[in-house]
Amino acid sequence: AQKITQTQPGMFVQEKEAVTLDCTYDTSDPSYGLFWYKQPSSGEMIFLIYQGSYDQQNATEGRYSLNFQKARKSANLVISASQLGDSAMYFCAMREVSGNQFYFGTGTSLTVIP
Amino acid sequence: DAGVTQSPTHLIKTRGQQVTLRCSPISGHKSVSWYQQVLGQGPQFIFQYYEKEERGRGNFPDRFSARQFPNYSSELNVNALLLGDSALYLCASTGGLAGGAGSTDTQYFGPGTRLTVL
Repeated sequence: AQKITQTQPGMFVQEKEAVTLDCTYDTSDPSYGLFWYKQPSSGEMIFLIYQGSYDQQNATEGRYSLNFQKARKSANLVISASQLGDSAMYFCAMREVSGNQFYFGTGTSLTVIP
Repeated sequence: DAGVTQSPTHLIKTRGQQVTLRCSPISGHKSVSWYQQVLGQGPQFIFQYYEKEERGRGNFPDRFSARQFPNYSSELNVNALLLGDSALYLCASTGGLAGGAGSTDTQYFGPGTRLTVL
C-alpha cells in the first residue's frame, strides 16, 4: 500500500483565493511526522510546514496551514491568498519514528491564474 | 547560513559509466539522505547516513553506494549507469537523530544534481 497518496495531479486557483491540496497517509506507527514541500521548476525542494502525530493543534506557517485529521489519516495543505509565485509542484511526505526515510507522494501541480 | 549544497548541478554520462555526486549538509547537521526523483514522480529514498554510518537503504540495486565523511559531507556513487538512472538526485540534511519524526527531523534539500544518461 502507498504510504502517501495525493489524488490531485493538477490544481488551478485564482490569484488571492485559497486552495486545499489533499494528502492521505498510511501508517501503523503511533509516532510520525508529516511534512509539505514545494518544488518550483528549478527543482529544489522547499520545506513549508510540519505536523507531528501528537500535536493537538493544526500547524500554521504564514499563508500555509495544515488541516490534520488524524482519525481519517489526512493532512491537507491549505494555502491562503494564493500568489503567482505559488505555482509549483507540492509534495506531502511522512516520516515514521520506526523508520529512517521520508515517504513522498506523487505530488500536486498547482497553477495560480492571474 | 549556507544551505545544503550539491555538485555538480548537471551531468551527462553514457551507459556503463560511473558517476559520483557530492553533497555538503547544513552546518551542524549530522544526517544526510539521498533521493532519486524521476521526471513526474516524487522523490524515492536511496540512503540515509548518520554519524558516518548507513542508517537506512531504499530499494535500489547494489550499483548504488554512498559514504559520509568526518565533516558530514557525503558522496553518492552509481556504477554501470543505465538509461533509467537519468533523474534528479537530491540530497537532504537533518539536524535531528536518525529515526526521529519530530520537527527537528525536518529534511532540508539541496538544489539537486540532474543526471542524464545517454
